[in-house]
Amino acid sequence: LAKTTQPISMDSYEGQEVNITCSHNNIATNDYITWYQQFPSQGPRFIIQGYKTKVTNEVASLFIPADRKSSTLSLPRVSLSDTAVYYCLVGGGSYIPTFGRGTSLIVHP
Amino acid sequence: EAQVTQNPRYLITVTGKKLTVTCSQNMNHEYMSWYRQDPGLGLRQIYYSMNVEVTDKGDVPEGYKVSRKEKRNFPLILESPSPNQTSLYFCASSFGLAGGPGSYNEQFFGPGTRLTVL
Repeated sequence: LAKTTQPISMDSYEGQEVNITCSHNNIATNDYITWYQQFPSQGPRFIIQGYKTKVTNEVASLFIPADRKSSTLSLPRVSLSDTAVYYCLVGGGSYIPTFGRGTSLIVHP
Repeated sequence: EAQVTQNPRYLITVTGKKLTVTCSQNMNHEYMSWYRQDPGLGLRQIYYSMNVEVTDKGDVPEGYKVSRKEKRNFPLILESPSPNQTSLYFCASSFGLAGGPGSYNEQFFGPGTRLTVL
């Protein structure tokens, strides 16, 4: 199973761009990279998924370098409502990915 | 509306009193799963089910049972609850495909059940 490592916490301010990097050195060829967002006392919510290069949707962008050993979730111009825990998951090819502890992002006014 | 529902949302019980937390999804998903979340430990998987009558242990299955008699329902059973099972529980579902859109990676979560065992 591909193990992921991401920062435990991050701080930012409203209007800034936030980049959360996740390392996954032993990612398998058929693994995908997925990010979830979780607000307090709510279930996680799927944000974005990618396999390689860059993926963008209305919420975030996901940057994946050619070696796929890391990935970066980019949140443009964060607001207070982006304060949440963000999970990086790797898998989905031949096994079900598991959640770790995530990165707690706090956005300050 | 596509959703995963859980009941009850809040439950306070006593040690040893059997309880069931229900989970239902209306998206015709094959894959369903139960997680527990504790402070500082993230989400840990309890049990999962790939399809009807197919269930398997996750990372922390001790003290729990599940069943999958129908595709839409995946109840979590605590035969003899203990205080260390006090936690926030989430049910999730997905199409269960391998990789890519609609895969295990894209799970839909329920609102959670906060369980307190005294």
